Amino acid sequence: GNSVTQMEGPVTLSEEAFLTINCTYTATGYPSLFWYVQYPGEGLQLLLKATKADDKGSNKGFEATYRKETTSFHLEKGSVQVSDSAVYFCALIPTSGTYKYIFGTGTRLKVLA
Amino acid sequence: GAGVSQSPSNKVTEKGKDVELRCDPISGHTALYWYRQSLGQGLEFLIYFQGNSAPDKSGLPSDRFSAERTGGSVSTLTIQRTQQEDSAVYLCASSVRVSGNTEAFFGQGTRLTVV
Repeated sequence: GNSVTQMEGPVTLSEEAFLTINCTYTATGYPSLFWYVQYPGEGLQLLLKATKADDKGSNKGFEATYRKETTSFHLEKGSVQVSDSAVYFCALIPTSGTYKYIFGTGTRLKVLA
Repeated sequence: GAGVSQSPSNKVTEKGKDVELRCDPISGHTALYWYRQSLGQGLEFLIYFQGNSAPDKSGLPSDRFSAERTGGSVSTLTIQRTQQEDSAVYLCASSVRVSGNTEAFFGQGTRLTVV
């Protein structure tokens, strides 16, 4: 079946540190991949997405590359800010069959000033 | 409205009571999703609608849970005879259409507490 595995948190970094949050997936075919972010007290919102192999999604300094060969979609940012503190969810949606978003368990990021 | 609206934002109910949670999707969005987020857990899929029909309701935990959507718009998730394990944040999302690459827009959720 389809599934998403994320690195467990919490991840605690100092401001301006480099961030990587690992995400791997299991799916048939070529799913679309997403990163959603949930800031404290807010709803989930899309951070970035990639719909085919080797695509790179980017937004707000965050990037993730769709790697078919390693079934991965790791989230990276070169220099985090305190305002990036949030919970990050990796997700996929299949391109056939049932069109439901499948989420990872989320990774909490805390950035210290 | 501008976004997905859910009501109530908070609900405290006694064990054994029935509750109804409402979701108003973004106007024109044909796809609507319900998820559950328990403390420290990820998002658990419950059901999704394409228009008024539900192609996949495999995530509903038991027959105490049901959902409907009318007029291709508002959806209601009903939990009968609530149990303490039903306590969670219930999230609704909508997207323009059901497909493999469209963004889902989420509401703020309804926090349900069963006492």
